[in-house]
Amino acid sequence: NAGVTQTPKFRILKIGQSMTLQCAQDMNHNYMYWYRQDPGMGLKLIYYSVGAGITDKGEVPNGYNVSRSTTEDFPLRLELAAPSQTSVYFCASSYSKQAYGYTFGSGTRLTVV
Amino acid sequence: DAKTTQPPSMDCAEGRAANLPCNHSTISGNEYVYWYRQIHSQGPQYIIHGLKNNETNEMASLIITEDRKSSTLILPHATLRDTAVYYCIVRVEGWETSGSRLTFGEGTQLTVNP
Repeated sequence: NAGVTQTPKFRILKIGQSMTLQCAQDMNHNYMYWYRQDPGMGLKLIYYSVGAGITDKGEVPNGYNVSRSTTEDFPLRLELAAPSQTSVYFCASSYSKQAYGYTFGSGTRLTVV
Repeated sequence: DAKTTQPPSMDCAEGRAANLPCNHSTISGNEYVYWYRQIHSQGPQYIIHGLKNNETNEMASLIITEDRKSSTLILPHATLRDTAVYYCIVRVEGWETSGSRLTFGEGTQLTVNP
């Protein structure tokens, strides 16, 4: 089983460009999350979803958008990239609302120049 | 969710026990203690969690004080592969309303030395 798959692994964007970070899970998890991690810092929640068609904001949603058209996929869209969005992005999923058992992807390292 | 305090860094010799402390003096009665770790450049990995009793699994042991104001994660025989940032998180078991989900602070950087 692949678990949580994120693509791409690395990306360099120019200021003002847009891109979509892909996240897919094959565990039939209802709950999915996007986090960002700045150097030397903990993870901050950007958006989360409790099921297909349902999304909500986390701590730092500004500059991002998400959609959840299927259980498996939870893409994160960056519009008008800014240097402040340079970070490592992690997607995660969980079977339930329990705080244990989160499965994380391997991350996307994004640099905005 | 209760705030946690962890030392920023710790060292441990390979093969010895690593004891990682966490203070959570404002923990509520229905809040659990969770531990995750993050090996360099990878996503966090769940380790263990508990409410008030000590817990053990194949990865680690969790010791929670009787007043639940602090806890210790124990890696009984640390290896080089245990070098990682360890996060102590205190929160209710699930969540019903919008707001912060599982949140990660800065954790403890554990370095296991040969």
